[in-house]
Amino acid sequence: EAGVTQFPSHSVIEKGQTVTLRCDPISGHDNLYWYRRVMGKEIKFLLHFVKESKQDESGMPNNRFLAERTGGTYSTLKVQPAELEDSGVYFCASSQDPRGRSPLHFGNGTRLTVT
Amino acid sequence: AQSVTQPDIHITVSEGASLELRCNYSYGATPYLFWYVQSPGQGLQLLLKYFSGDTLVQGIKGFEAEFKRSQSSFNLRKPSVHWSDAAEYFCAYSGSARQLTFGSGTQLTVLP
Repeated sequence: EAGVTQFPSHSVIEKGQTVTLRCDPISGHDNLYWYRRVMGKEIKFLLHFVKESKQDESGMPNNRFLAERTGGTYSTLKVQPAELEDSGVYFCASSQDPRGRSPLHFGNGTRLTVT
Repeated sequence: AQSVTQPDIHITVSEGASLELRCNYSYGATPYLFWYVQSPGQGLQLLLKYFSGDTLVQGIKGFEAEFKRSQSSFNLRKPSVHWSDAAEYFCAYSGSARQLTFGSGTQLTVLP
């Protein structure tokens, strides 16, 4: 089966610009997660979709971040306007079981650099 | 607060030597515990997981981990390290909040 795919793999933008990250989960996985790793820090949870609904968005840092999952398939994460502290690696993951027992399958991540 | 601690930021071992990566968690109940590995340019790959039952769990690539409730630990071990094991390793747990909480990672360097 195809794994979780993320696009782009790298993005370099200037402060104040907008960037949209895309994640395609494994087919049939209703649960989709976004995580972020800022340089040198832990991988932090951003939010969790179950199908097209936001189950938990407690990790979203502020209202400059907008995540969507229209139709319950792929998801996008938009940062507008981007700030320097948004630089990091953004991971997407998917799983079948929302109860935490099913391992998350991660994509390769999108490395975002804001200059 | 719930947390995962990986006390070793960087570990260097020689190829063929044994390996132990430490992980401690702080959580009221028994969590679901995981070890992930990230090789350069790759995503996070699951090595092994613990939910319940036998406290010694076997994973892929010859790794194993032991859950010790009394020490709140879930250390990762491998008896003989290969050069291809050089990567960053993350311990994580999933509690009632269901999302994963990660440790800060341990970077493993393998010397020839």
